Amino acid sequence: QSVLTQPPSVSAAPGQKVTISCSGSDSYIGNKFVSWYQHLPGTAPKLLIYDNNKRPSGIPDRFSGSNSGTSATLGITGLQTGDEADYYCATWDRSLSAYVFGAGTKVTVV
Amino acid sequence: QIQLQQSGPRLVKPSQTLSLTCVISGDSVSSDRAAWNWIRQSPSRGLEWLGRTYYRSKWYNDYELSVKSRITVNPDTSKNHVSLHLISVTPEDTAIYYCVREPVGAHFDHWGEGTLVTVSS
Repeated sequence: QSVLTQPPSVSAAPGQKVTISCSGSDSYIGNKFVSWYQHLPGTAPKLLIYDNNKRPSGIPDRFSGSNSGTSATLGITGLQTGDEADYYCATWDRSLSAYVFGAGTKVTVV
Repeated sequence: QIQLQQSGPRLVKPSQTLSLTCVISGDSVSSDRAAWNWIRQSPSRGLEWLGRTYYRSKWYNDYELSVKSRITVNPDTSKNHVSLHLISVTPEDTAIYYCVREPVGAHFDHWGEGTLVTVSS
């Protein structure tokens, strides 16, 4: 059972913006580093954001991350059909000595 | 360039052991700036972290609580690879298994291609 909560799905038109939230209980996320992954069917997940708001080289600045209070957020601007995928947040849980993932959010470009 | 090449059986019978190997190129399993993880993905459970091994003057392991009694992640320094063993598997262990590098910091930057393992008689 995931301790990070994401919306099951979000959608928007091409060129628009979507945001995906990742929330935990008891300020679970606010003082932790969150990373985000894009998962396209048939491929390995790809790192989009790490340390809440940093982008690896090669990731366009259309992707952004933030973390405040009990929720982290992934933003995607200038939505493209190629952005249709599942997106997951993750963080290290020190009390469990384990990584936890959110259940994933499906992004649809309508 | 870091590459992770996975291998192992794609079909495992219930109650038997799932074993996968991940050969690391472009980095060292003994690096003190990386950890080596196994993560699986299934339609019903999404991404699920299973465990990791890493070296910081000595070897350490961390495992996900729900599989802790059944899992072993081992390094092999002579072959520069990391292995996953999951005993007493059931159909619920059917998933795509990924070998994943974790650099210093809480994230995963390099993923193997994934191995679909089916648990079925």
